[in-house]
Amino acid sequence: GENVEQHPSTLSVQEGDSAVIKCTYSDSASNYFPWYKQELGKRPQLIIDIRSNVGEKKDQRIAVTLNKTAKHFSLHITETQPEDSAVYFCAARKTNTDKLIFGTGTRLQVFP
Amino acid sequence: EAGVAQSPRYKIIEKRQSVAFWCNPISGHATLYWYQQILGQGPKLLIQFQNNGVVDDSQLPKDRFSAERLKGVDSTLKIQPAKLEDSAVYLCASSFALAGELDTQYFGPGTRLTVL
Repeated sequence: GENVEQHPSTLSVQEGDSAVIKCTYSDSASNYFPWYKQELGKRPQLIIDIRSNVGEKKDQRIAVTLNKTAKHFSLHITETQPEDSAVYFCAARKTNTDKLIFGTGTRLQVFP
Repeated sequence: EAGVAQSPRYKIIEKRQSVAFWCNPISGHATLYWYQQILGQGPKLLIQFQNNGVVDDSQLPKDRFSAERLKGVDSTLKIQPAKLEDSAVYLCASSFALAGELDTQYFGPGTRLTVL
């Protein structure tokens, strides 16, 4: 069935360093890949997304890359700040459905 | 604009009791979703509505879970009777687009359910 794997489960970086989170998906019909940030006790919030017809998208310190052939996509955060500390979830959506399949999450800790 | 509203924020019940959660989506959003998020996992879709109709309820445990969106706006999710494994955060999300169209899903703050 549909599956999204996410790695690593935890990531600790020093403030100013870069962080990379990787996800792989199983369904080649997936066409939309959002990333959500969830702070402790709060709602998931969309931070960036990418569609299958694009290989890379950037928004200030955040970028996402997509490799359709390998069926994986990655989140890149540069110049990390303590307020980037949260759990990050990737997700994949299959063409012509609204169903998002989420990864298991990555807990990012940025130390000052 | 106001976000997705949910209530209550927290609920503690004993197993075999019933519980109901309420969601008010962002105004004008046609599609509404209920997700279950077990601690340490990503959200899992339970049911999707477009207006007052069900689009996808394939992952809803229908022997104990039910949901409705009678007037196409607010929605309620009910569990009857609850089991210990139902302990989770129940997230409501909404999107402006109709089912099948690509659009951002906006999440509510969730209801944290603890079943003792």
